[in-house]
Amino acid sequence: DAGVIQSPRHEVTEMGQEVTLRCKPISGHDYLFWYRQTMMRGLELLIYFNNNVPIDDSGMPEDRFSAKMPNASFSTLKIQPSEPRDSAVYFCASRPGAEYNSPLHFGNGTRLTVT
Amino acid sequence: AQSVTQLDSQVPVFEEAPVELRCNYSSSVSVYLFWYVQYPNQGLQLLLKYLSGSTLVKGINGFEAEFNKSQTSFHLRKPSVHISDTAEYFCAVTVSGGSYIPTFGRGTSLIVHP
Repeated sequence: DAGVIQSPRHEVTEMGQEVTLRCKPISGHDYLFWYRQTMMRGLELLIYFNNNVPIDDSGMPEDRFSAKMPNASFSTLKIQPSEPRDSAVYFCASRPGAEYNSPLHFGNGTRLTVT
Repeated sequence: AQSVTQLDSQVPVFEEAPVELRCNYSSSVSVYLFWYVQYPNQGLQLLLKYLSGSTLVKGINGFEAEFNKSQTSFHLRKPSVHISDTAEYFCAVTVSGGSYIPTFGRGTSLIVHP
């Protein structure tokens, strides 16, 4: 079990550029979550998927953010255009099912810096 | 809707001293409680969880937590900390029903000094 894999680990980009973050969940996990972590806001849930279908995207800050899950083993979070206030650590997490006793398994995150 | 409050943003402590990290929650229905730990430059990983049964839960690395329903608390404790316990600790709650999406607290930074 390789765990949840995120890429890249670090991303530095200029304001206005498009940024794509990638995530490979643990095989067999039905749920996938995207979180954003900042000092000001802590850990925020952006969106989550169940069986590749987006269930709740109410945490997505604005239309510049979009997320897709084309298949069970891959998801992307895209920011277009990026702004300095998007600088944060973005985490992907997966979970095996809807059972309450299933913890989330987190990736190591992508640290995004927008200059 | 449920919420989680971690009262201390930072807890400094000396090595081999005991520590308690506080967590309070609010919910009108049954809850399930978790503590996660985040080491520097890593994602969160599960430390322990309370689902039902005994209110004292033991986790990895010598940590334990006690569920107190009357006080709506789930404080994390360790009798003797090590330098390697320096990390960010997150309390999380899910409620019965629905898809059990956890709500996380703001986190407590545990800093262990030699």
